[in-house]
Amino acid sequence: DTGVSQNPRHKITKRGQNVTFRCDPISEHNRLYWYRQTLGQGPEFLTYFQNEAQLEKSRLLSDRFSAERPKGSFSTLEIQRTEQGDSAMYLCASSAGYGYTFGSGTRLTVV
Amino acid sequence: SQQGEEDPQALSIQEGENATMNCSYKTSINNLQWYRQNSGRGLVHLILIRSNEREKHSGRLRVTLDTSKKSSSLLITASRAADTASYFCATDVGTGGFKTIFGAGTRLFVKA
Repeated sequence: DTGVSQNPRHKITKRGQNVTFRCDPISEHNRLYWYRQTLGQGPEFLTYFQNEAQLEKSRLLSDRFSAERPKGSFSTLEIQRTEQGDSAMYLCASSAGYGYTFGSGTRLTVV
Repeated sequence: SQQGEEDPQALSIQEGENATMNCSYKTSINNLQWYRQNSGRGLVHLILIRSNEREKHSGRLRVTLDTSKKSSSLLITASRAADTASYFCATDVGTGGFKTIFGAGTRLFVKA
């Protein structure tokens, strides 16, 4: 297991299109988190899963955003009808307790 | 919203000098963590200090926590050019303390 893997690394999409990102956590980790980071800012919490259950969603996560973690393994984050304000780095992290292991992120550019 | 605020926002030092970054937070915490992020990469966990601890060391890192002042500091001793990165404090809040909120970070530049 080489850590948390995120795909794709980069995504450029036109405004109004849907995009989906994937995160493969460390296999022993039961918690999985999604964060969004814009330039010069710290990561902002979006949502987290314990196993397959989505336990909390940020108010930042509008109705256009949805996340799933089927069977408590990998997770997907989908953004529908993308807007230019969605341009950011989307980070996934996993944890078995305290302290996160982050993936390298997916950089989304909406043009 | 971001729970922690780091100070300074940016810091430039010479190799070999010590770097001190401070973090203030707003609400009660279960623990506080520091992370490092190299440009365009994911974050790397550096150190965790629990709310009942006052000081912790890890290699060239020293972290202090003052819960009465809701503040923490990260000291990097004998800095190296490879320490150039952004450093974030993060606090665990929420039910069970399993949601981590990050500050805006301190950008450290170590000149060789």
